[in-house]
This record gives sequence, structure tokens and C-alpha cells, in this order.
Amino acid sequence: NAGVTQTPKFRVLKTGQSMTLLCAQDMNHEYMYWYRQDPGMGLRLIHYSVGEGTTAKGEVPDGYNVSRLKKQNFLLGLESAAPSQTSVYFCASSSHPSGSYEQYFGPGTRLTVT
Amino acid sequence: GENVEQHPSTLSVQEGDSAVIKCTYSDSASNYFPWYKQELGKRPQLIIDIRSNVGEKKDQRIAVTLNKTAKHFSLHITETQPEDSAVYFCAASKESGNTGKLIFGQGTTLQVKP
Repeated sequence: NAGVTQTPKFRVLKTGQSMTLLCAQDMNHEYMYWYRQDPGMGLRLIHYSVGEGTTAKGEVPDGYNVSRLKKQNFLLGLESAAPSQTSVYFCASSSHPSGSYEQYFGPGTRLTVT
Repeated sequence: GENVEQHPSTLSVQEGDSAVIKCTYSDSASNYFPWYKQELGKRPQLIIDIRSNVGEKKDQRIAVTLNKTAKHFSLHITETQPEDSAVYFCAASKESGNTGKLIFGQGTTLQVKP
């Protein structure tokens, strides 16, 4: 049982390049979330999904897109990367509403945009 | 929308002393308040949570108190140990929203000196 995994662990992009971050969970969780973590700003919600085929905007959605084609996967896309998107990205999942509110986090992806 | 303020941003204590971290929230409809611990280079993990129908919850050396009237809640760690050194995040959520979304505070870096 791997829990929540993220791919890749590290990435360096040039301004204007695009990339996709993959989050996978094997806990059959309905809800999945993407956060970014910046120094002194905590964890800020980018987008989230309450089930396969559904997505919604969080606190800081601009510049990002997401897709949840399969229940176990949640993809975060950057179409045209900017230096302001340099951050550590965490994916999380939870069994809510059928179970606990606890969110289980992945190991994170460190992204640098130059 | 919901806003969560967390203080202090850094806290240094001597091993064996107590540590207190405080958070305030803005949305009176929030009714679920978890605390997450993030060790250096690791993912955030839930350590304790409280719902608005109780005023205090304890788990060994950690406890959380909630004052709904004042809209603030606190994390108390007694008999601190070096392994308690980490970044701690508070969060708030509305269970009635059925999204499981968490709004996080900015984080507190706790250093426990041996």
C-alpha cells in the first residue's frame, strides 16, 4: 500500500515551458487536492476534486489546470510556467465524505522555474 | 472566504518545556480544526483534530483547545522533546460544505533545544 505518490520529485523548467505533475493514490479515496507550499505562506489550495470527472478551483487556481479522469489519479498542469510558480507542490487525498476528514499527503514535488 | 491566522511564526523552547501555538479563524461556520506536523523535507501529517462540539481534546503530550465564541484554537505540547522540532500547521474546514477543503494557517516552526 503505497498511499499517495507524486511524480516527479524535482523539476526545473524555463519560463514558458509546460509540464504535468501526477498524483496517484491507492486508498480508493474520493477526494483529492493540490496545494502549493511557499515559505511563510503555509499550504494554499490550488484545485481539488470530489470525485472522478469533477474538479473545482481552490484559493490560488490561476495558471494551473487539473484533470481527474480516473479515481486514483489527479493531474496538475502548468501550461506556461512562470517564476512565480516556483514552489513545492503537494497532493493529498481523503476518504471524506464516507470516512475521516484526514488528508493524506504525497511526498511533494519541488519545482523551480527560471 | 475563510482566513486562518497562526502565531507565532517561530517558537524556540528548551527540552521539557511546554509549547503553545495559536490560530484564529474568520468563518464562524467552520467546525473542523486539524493540526498537521511537517518534519524537515517530509510531507505534512495529521497529529490531532477537534470538532466544534467539543472544547478540548488530548492525545498523550499534545492537546488542542477551541474557543468558538472568540473563533480561536490552540495546540499545546507538554514535555517537549527534540523530535517535536518541526513546522506545525493549523487548518479550518466546514464539514457542511461537503468538499473536505482545508484552509491552512501560515505555519509555526518549533525548535526544541536539547
